[in-house]
Amino acid sequence: DVQLVESGGGLVQPGGSLRLSCAASGFTFSTYSMNWVRQAPGKGLEWVSYITTISGTIYYADSVKGRFTISRDNAKNSLFLQMNSLRAEDTAVYYCARGSFDLWGQGTMVTVSS
Amino acid sequence: DIQMTQSPSSLSASVGDRVTITCRASQSISTYLNWYQQKPGKAPKLLIYAASTLQSGVPSRFSGSGSGTDSTLTIRSLQPEDLATYYCQQSYSTPYTFGPGTKLEIK
Repeated sequence: DVQLVESGGGLVQPGGSLRLSCAASGFTFSTYSMNWVRQAPGKGLEWVSYITTISGTIYYADSVKGRFTISRDNAKNSLFLQMNSLRAEDTAVYYCARGSFDLWGQGTMVTVSS
Repeated sequence: DIQMTQSPSSLSASVGDRVTITCRASQSISTYLNWYQQKPGKAPKLLIYAASTLQSGVPSRFSGSGSGTDSTLTIRSLQPEDLATYYCQQSYSTPYTFGPGTKLEIK
């Protein structure tokens, strides 16, 4: 099956760090750019970050710039989001999505709370 | 950044009704406009891309139109399974902003 599966979410204290992973299967991961999108509880969707196929171009939302780092390992069909200096407002379900947003994972919940 | 607005924010309609949701961008985005359906507790699902192209596997009762700053999502004959929140998104430039959503309820 063509799918994306996120992992790595959990409860973390303000100021802490977390690394999310997104495992791709059923398609040639290395030929697609990728995105992270998040959704705070009861709220709308917020695009977070984008990375091209060989990581040549990377973009971030202003809300996470300087704190989050997107990366990928094409040999392992995996996408990552390293989240540092986490804040309460980063609490959300984090989705990975294929470049044109035509394929989404099921999401992983990140809760930032003391 | 390009701001996206949607109207209405919520609506209630009956099975068989024709439903229209409007999306407006703060500047021209040509046809770089996507529509998504999100059911409770689920990930968003791409319905329409490039403003009017139906994503594979999406029922033909869904259609999109528009260009520039204004776009529309139409559901031709509402079905019970269309209960969801609908979002537009511009893919013209980063940040790829989403509209605030339209919550669709079935009467």
